[in-house]
Amino acid sequence: AQSVTQLGSHVSVSEGALVLLRCNYSSSVPPYLFWYVQYPNQGLQLLLKYTSAATLVKGINGFEAEFKKSETSFHLTKPSAHMSDAAEYFCAVSGEGYSTLTFGKGTMLLVSP
Amino acid sequence: DTAVSQTPKYLVTQMGNDKSIKCEQNLGHDTMYWYKQDSKKFLKIMFSYNNKELIINETVPNRFSPKSPDKAHLNLHINSLELGDSAVYFCASSQGFYGTDTQYFGPGTRLTVL
Repeated sequence: AQSVTQLGSHVSVSEGALVLLRCNYSSSVPPYLFWYVQYPNQGLQLLLKYTSAATLVKGINGFEAEFKKSETSFHLTKPSAHMSDAAEYFCAVSGEGYSTLTFGKGTMLLVSP
Repeated sequence: DTAVSQTPKYLVTQMGNDKSIKCEQNLGHDTMYWYKQDSKKFLKIMFSYNNKELIINETVPNRFSPKSPDKAHLNLHINSLELGDSAVYFCASSQGFYGTDTQYFGPGTRLTVL
């Protein structure tokens, strides 16, 4: 069984500040991990994914995430927040072979001027 | 141009009615999905089809019936709508059904049952 825990349903940052969105996973098999972003009234868009290659994964819009097996974490970071980053962010996990995506409950990122 | 499209975008209907949501993808993918996003934004998979064959049915009530006429289309029909069916329904597609495959999502259909 797989599960994802996203700490903090809301995260507030100022424009230009570091963004850190936390994701911890539980998986009985080696995991594949994803971060998706959902802008208001839109579908989900892939930011980045980890599929057992480099543990530091770079994505779109300046985001990156680091897979840490010892901590079962896959936190999402961005050095400098922009107003346009305000959205809902979802962490998701899947496994080897045939597998479905299991999503966390999401974290709303609020960016203030 | 849209990779995964859904119609309609909004659907408002009365309890007890039957309604359908259509999904089309032009990515040439073999696998398609339906997800339900509840009022707390929690996303849960409902169905998955691979090459028109149903491969996942996640304990969804029988009132929900997916149909895949071809690999590019996956429709969702809902009978006898209930208040609890109000949600945003997302269609998605991926090249295959492996854990590494990226899923591409449609814009969603907001269903409101009165």
